[in-house]
Amino acid sequence: GAGVSQTPSNKVTEKGKYVELRCDPISGHTALYWYRQSLGQGPEFLIYFQGTGAADDSGLPNDRFFAVRPEGSVSTLKIQRTERGDSAVYLCASSDMGGYGYTFGSGTRLTVV
Amino acid sequence: QKEVEQNSGPLSVPEGAIASLNCTYSDRGSQSFFWYRQYSGKSPELIMSIYSNGDKEDGRFTAQLNKASQYVSLLIRDSQPSDSATYLCAVTRSNYKLTFGKGTLLTVNP
Repeated sequence: GAGVSQTPSNKVTEKGKYVELRCDPISGHTALYWYRQSLGQGPEFLIYFQGTGAADDSGLPNDRFFAVRPEGSVSTLKIQRTERGDSAVYLCASSDMGGYGYTFGSGTRLTVV
Repeated sequence: QKEVEQNSGPLSVPEGAIASLNCTYSDRGSQSFFWYRQYSGKSPELIMSIYSNGDKEDGRFTAQLNKASQYVSLLIRDSQPSDSATYLCAVTRSNYKLTFGKGTLLTVNP
């Protein structure tokens, strides 16, 4: 596609449930990033993929969060046992190997009730 | 000390004026600097990048970098109501892991 696609655009889930957020990057982009943006804050880095592997997952807040990119294209961010504090907009971005400057997707707004 | 600091605003300027947005950062090893614009309810959009000291101009936008002072700024000339948005400063030493400020809300009044 022309841009970074994220689905769903909105997700409401109950506390304790499991959720998956999907990101489809720009075709040909080898690097993929996940960020989280809470209300009134700037985006916060979660994880960076180069190809299929997670090159840096230092931003994942705890072991309830996990992300995969099995074929080096689409990525899924998985959150187990969701908590109300996980409520935020989850942003995905991709770039070519140069890495300079991201193109963000439109985000998934996650609400945990 | 926060890693990237921005005045949260709101910064209000009249249409046609120059808007000046400022950002300071704490990591002296930072190599790349970016300005993103974020409209309410939308995702951030990259508008400027700067990598070396001095000024970089692109249309009505000028980014300024002073690594010695750990300071980055964005000037918007001839401000338009459509420039009203939150402007996010981001820095990185790694070229992939951006650290963002909280953003400055700019309002351009017709």
